Amino acid sequence: EDQVTQSPEALRLQEGESSSLNCSYTVSGLRGLFWYRQDPGKGPEFLFTLYSAGEEKEKERLKATLTKKESFLHITAPKPEDSATYLCAVQAKNGGATNKLIFGTGTLLAVQP
Amino acid sequence: KAGVTQTPRYLIKTRGQQVTLSCSPISGHRSVSWYQQTPGQGLQFLFEYFSETQRNKGNFPGRFSGRQFSNSRSEMNVSTLELGDSALYLCASSPAGTGSGGYTFGSGTRLTVV
Repeated sequence: EDQVTQSPEALRLQEGESSSLNCSYTVSGLRGLFWYRQDPGKGPEFLFTLYSAGEEKEKERLKATLTKKESFLHITAPKPEDSATYLCAVQAKNGGATNKLIFGTGTLLAVQP
Repeated sequence: KAGVTQTPRYLIKTRGQQVTLSCSPISGHRSVSWYQQTPGQGLQFLFEYFSETQRNKGNFPGRFSGRQFSNSRSEMNVSTLELGDSALYLCASSPAGTGSGGYTFGSGTRLTVV
């Protein structure tokens, strides 16, 4: 069964303290792995899509990497405005012609000034 | 460029009632997916519509149904509401058939069943 596990569930950082969030996945054929950011009361906001092991993508203080079993979201020198829930999702090839995403339960990040 | 619009933003319903939620995708997007988000289960896939056809369905009871219109707008319906149906319902739209990535979500409809 396809599944996604994120860790830690919650993370508290001081402003400027770099860290990484983990997303482990089990899927029978990966079509794509997605990272989203979700603020309270809002829908998820797209950050990155990774398609193959070894791929990396960056956006401001965020960098996402992908291996055959997991993905990391590295946050460098975070600021309070980076506080949010970060969601990881996978799209499986065995789903056929579909845009179905399987989500992890997210990591709640709090960055204190 | 307008984003994904979901209406209404908030709903309070009584057990046993039914409810209809609406989602207007980004102009030109033909795929609309629906998700249920709860604190305990996270985001769970309900179903996806593409060109007015249901292409995939998650593991939810038959009380949950949906449809898509020719203008790509989509509705989902929940009949005989239960307390456990209280959740944030999100829809996401995509421009292409499959594997396009970067699905855009709406802000959701917060449903409370009392």
